[in-house]
Amino acid sequence: DVKVTQSSRYLVKRTGEKVFLECVQDMDHENMFWYRQDPGLGLRLIYFSYDVKMKEKGDIPEGYSVSREKKERFSLILESASTNQTSMYLCASRRQYSNQPQHFGDGTRLSIL
Amino acid sequence: GENVGLHLPTLSVQEGDNSIINCAYSNSASDYFIWYKQESGKGPQFIIDIRSNMDKRQGQRVTVLLNKTVKHLSLQIAATQPGDSAVYFCAENRDFNKFYFGSGTKLNVKP
Repeated sequence: DVKVTQSSRYLVKRTGEKVFLECVQDMDHENMFWYRQDPGLGLRLIYFSYDVKMKEKGDIPEGYSVSREKKERFSLILESASTNQTSMYLCASRRQYSNQPQHFGDGTRLSIL
Repeated sequence: GENVGLHLPTLSVQEGDNSIINCAYSNSASDYFIWYKQESGKGPQFIIDIRSNMDKRQGQRVTVLLNKTVKHLSLQIAATQPGDSAVYFCAENRDFNKFYFGSGTKLNVKP
């Protein structure tokens, strides 16, 4: 089974802090994704990476950056956290072929005070 | 995905009954669809997928139906069990790495 592990289940940070969310997958998947999930809005794509050191903006990249130095690890960075970034953050990975589903971690619930 | 507002649609079924959860997708160019189950406090879990060249696919106790004419996807769960209680949402794959997600339906199974 695919295992996507997010380093923290719950995180509380203060406005203006730099926040790092970490994600690791163990299936040698080429593609990795960061989403945020808010009530009534579904999952919205922040950034994705199709290979090491490669990244592309998703639908809501403002206020975020990402890093993919190794194939198994994809980090989401909140450069200067704001209260409107309080959310559930989900990481996913998938194989780089057509018709392949994404596999998700259990999420990080981030609160910015 | 569609924004259905802050209130998640809820489907309540009796244990042992069949459940049907519906999803309308937005783009006729989407060619791959997935159903996910999300239990409270957990990440979305893959249930079943279907490609646009198919109209039906069956798994264990689950069936997905795809109607491309009306851009509609449904998930049927046979003999619903309490462990099936969760939020279910569909995803459509439009571009290679772009997936769009519905906001989901909450399934409540009554014992």
